[in-house]
Amino acid sequence: EAGVAQSPRYKIIEKRQSVAFWCNPISGHATLYWYQQILGQGPKLLIQFQNNGVVDDSQLPKDRFSAERLKGVDSTLKIQPAKLEDSAVYLCASSLTGLAGITDTQYFGPGTRLTVL
Amino acid sequence: SQQGEEDPQALSIQEGENATMNCSYKTSINNLQWYRQNSGRGLVHLILIRSNEREKHSGRLRVTLDTSKKSSSLLITASRAADTASYFCATAPSGSARQLTFGSGTQLTVLP
Repeated sequence: EAGVAQSPRYKIIEKRQSVAFWCNPISGHATLYWYQQILGQGPKLLIQFQNNGVVDDSQLPKDRFSAERLKGVDSTLKIQPAKLEDSAVYLCASSLTGLAGITDTQYFGPGTRLTVL
Repeated sequence: SQQGEEDPQALSIQEGENATMNCSYKTSINNLQWYRQNSGRGLVHLILIRSNEREKHSGRLRVTLDTSKKSSSLLITASRAADTASYFCATAPSGSARQLTFGSGTQLTVLP
C-alpha cells in the first residue's frame, strides 16, 4: 500500500513570497490533515478535511494560509505572503474515516521543510 | 494550543535499559495515542489506548492511562539504538470531530 505522498520535500523562499505544498493521501482515506511542526514542538493541526469539506480550520491563519481538497482526493496548502515565523515542517496525514467518535490511526507523509529567509 | 505535555523533554539511556515517557493532558478524551518521529521524517503510529482501558501492550511497548489524573505513560523495554527518536502523545477529545491534538514530545536517545 502506497503511503502519503508530499512534495516538495524542501523549499526555501524569501519573506513575502508565495509557496504551495501538495499532498496525495492514501487511496480510499476520507480524511486529510495538514499540520505545522515548528522545530522542537509537536505538530499543530492547521486544517482537517472530510472528503472535500472542511471539518476544522480554527488554527489556520486565514489571512495568509489557504488550503483546498478538490474532488476529495489530493490537497494543496498555500502560504501567501510568507513570514519568517512560517519556517517549519508542513506535514500531511490521512485517515480512513475521521468521523467524530470513531478512532482512526493517522498516516503521515514525510513532510515539507519550509525555510523563509 | 498543545493539549498534551510530555515529560521529560529529553531522555538519554544506554542500550538495553528501559525508557519511560509521561504525558499529561487537560480535557476529557476518547482515546490517547503515541506516535514516533525519526529525525527528518513523518510520524508513525505506535499504539492507541481508549479511555476505558488502563494498560495496553504491543511488543516492547507498554502504555498506561490514568483518566483520573489525566496522564499516560509509555514504557519501552530493552531499548535499542534504533529506538532513538522523538515520541509524541496525542489526544482525541471526547465528542469532537477534531481527531488529534499533539503534545510537545520527548526526545529519546539510546546510546549503543
